[in-house]
Amino acid sequence: DIVMTQSPDSLAVSLGERATINCKSSQSVLYSSNNKNYLAWYQQKPGQPPKLLIYWASTRESGVPDRFSGSGSGTDFTLTISSLQAEDVAVYYCQQYHSTPPITFGQGTRLEIK
Amino acid sequence: QVQLVESGGGVVQPGGSLRLSCAASGFTFSIYGMHWVRQAPGKGLEWVAFTRYDGINKNYADSVKGRFTISRDNSKNTLYLQMNSLRAEDTAVYYCAKPVAAANAFDYWGQGTLVTVSS
Repeated sequence: DIVMTQSPDSLAVSLGERATINCKSSQSVLYSSNNKNYLAWYQQKPGQPPKLLIYWASTRESGVPDRFSGSGSGTDFTLTISSLQAEDVAVYYCQQYHSTPPITFGQGTRLEIK
Repeated sequence: QVQLVESGGGVVQPGGSLRLSCAASGFTFSIYGMHWVRQAPGKGLEWVAFTRYDGINKNYADSVKGRFTISRDNSKNTLYLQMNSLRAEDTAVYYCAKPVAAANAFDYWGQGTLVTVSS
């Protein structure tokens, strides 16, 4: 199984500042045949289901603000929030869908306002 | 608009059974594979099971293999999860989730149904 490890576990950032969350996979999630990274990012607020932000490592889901961006390839990925807003307080998860089953998630990163 | 509505959760004793349902609407249910994902209280996300669009191919997490069965009724636009031999560690909110076309990233989730396994 592919193990997904996020860092840090929690993060406090000032409003308007950049927030960066990292995700590392134990094996590459890049398919060389189509040059796509099978990696997604989610945001989860208390009492709500997760919300898809990014898939294919860098494709923003429809309706997601452009302050959210995804980058990386192979085994190392980053979710960046360019200018933190109050409504971005949440837990963020990465997920791989390359080698399935099973689909696996990172342990989550809690993002708070400093 | 796409809607996924889970039902069937509740409190059950260890060793008991429960069947969850997920009613889907707003998209062509019969052409999408579907998933169940769970989240224990205060914990992260754990993928549980997948069924192909036609219900023929199914996959399970090792933690539930042999105890849980995923199924679907495309005539009713409904996904199911039959859970047997329940354990305390199965206590979680169970979500059904629809994948993005051609990718197993989940663009729609239900609100979840809570399963509590306790004596």
